Amino acid sequence: QVQLKESGPGLVQPSETLSLTCTVSGFSLTSNSVHWVRQPPGKGLEWMGIIRSGGSTDYNSALKSRLSISRDTSKSQVFLKMNSLQTEDTAIYYCTRSFIPNSGFAYWGQGTLVTVSS
Amino acid sequence: DIVMTQGALPNPVPSGESASITCQSSKSLLHSNGKTYLNWYLQRPGQSPQLLIYWMSTRASGVSDRFSGSGSGTDFTLKISSVEAEDVGVYYCQQFLEYPFTFGSGTKLEIK
Repeated sequence: QVQLKESGPGLVQPSETLSLTCTVSGFSLTSNSVHWVRQPPGKGLEWMGIIRSGGSTDYNSALKSRLSISRDTSKSQVFLKMNSLQTEDTAIYYCTRSFIPNSGFAYWGQGTLVTVSS
Repeated sequence: DIVMTQGALPNPVPSGESASITCQSSKSLLHSNGKTYLNWYLQRPGQSPQLLIYWMSTRASGVSDRFSGSGSGTDFTLKISSVEAEDVGVYYCQQFLEYPFTFGSGTKLEIK
């Protein structure tokens, strides 16, 4: 079955770079897009960006200058890198995908909490 | 960016009663292909969001028929008939028409 699982450092120092991995199973990254969504503790959801089946990307303009999404299809992994982290980047980070293209996020990882603190 | 504005619920809602959550978009979500790109999610406490409704009114796989979505190009409603304890959580609408895929701020449902 379709599964996504996020992994990452948990704690990041301010001004440093966040690196997260989304490991997927049950589907191919060359046939499906994967998105990243984040949620600050107790707050709402923010779409961050997408890597499409062909490898192209799009980013939330609010994060574009700091954000990069890439993948390794041989390892079924999608990577998120975001630099210049600040305390307001503290959030649960989710990777997610649709069941049918353009139909909403039917599959979600369990999320990984990233805390930005010195 | 498209702004999504959600209404509040008169919490707590008595078990067995119906509840309606409203959502308004700052731009029509009706695409030229006839689909309206509006999704609804439920996030239960401590869990990842769950897709309930996509294309404004299509229930996602495995979702109870107590959930229904309706609306126009900019005004939308999620109706929950006969609310149950398992419906507790925060409901989000989301536009899927254009990047960035923005969400509403969420509507909390509590059950009495």
